Amino acid sequence: DGGITQSPKYLFRKEGQNVTLSCEQNLNHDAMYWYRQDPGQGLRLIYYSQIVNDFQKGDIAEGYSVSREKKESFPLTVTSAQKNPTAFYLCASSTLGQPQHFGDGTRLSIL
Amino acid sequence: KQEVTQIPAALSVPEGENLVLNCSFTDSAIYNLQWFRQDPGKGLTSLLLIQSSQREQTSGRLNASLDKSSGRSTLYIAASQPGDSATYLCAPGGTGNTGKLIFGQGTTLQVKP
Repeated sequence: DGGITQSPKYLFRKEGQNVTLSCEQNLNHDAMYWYRQDPGQGLRLIYYSQIVNDFQKGDIAEGYSVSREKKESFPLTVTSAQKNPTAFYLCASSTLGQPQHFGDGTRLSIL
Repeated sequence: KQEVTQIPAALSVPEGENLVLNCSFTDSAIYNLQWFRQDPGKGLTSLLLIQSSQREQTSGRLNASLDKSSGRSTLYIAASQPGDSATYLCAPGGTGNTGKLIFGQGTTLQVKP
């Protein structure tokens, strides 16, 4: 079945450590997005990519980095510079102008 | 900067009621608007997408309307069922077809059997 796969489902980060969240889609979508959701809050855009080898910062990009080397993949790295990384991270993809499809998310916590 | 407000924040209704969820946004220069559903601990499921030139969209028991000039959208759910219990999120898209969405905080709906 076509869809978006996020892994791992749960992730723990130690102080000073960088961690990478995986997002893979087989929907042949050009655009991919990373959002952060805090408890009781709506989603906030971290980074987005409209095409391979190109990406733009969203509203809360500080402390995060991304790459888009393949159409199917858009990994997100949470760096040690992100001081409050505990959140639910959601990846989405779409054809521009069409509904965004979401993965099941990765829950990141601090050890 | 676009700000999105959803009212009410929470709603509890008996099964079978018709209900309306409200969404308001401050910048009317939107490309489209999407409504999503989120179940606890899960990702989002797209319900309806309304283009800026449209007034409404319907899917089954769901109907979404858009009044761009007044910065308002409503999601109407007919004959509510316990399976409709979830958080509903409204997300207008910014100017131009960038795919960037700004989300409201959502309305959490509980439908009691």
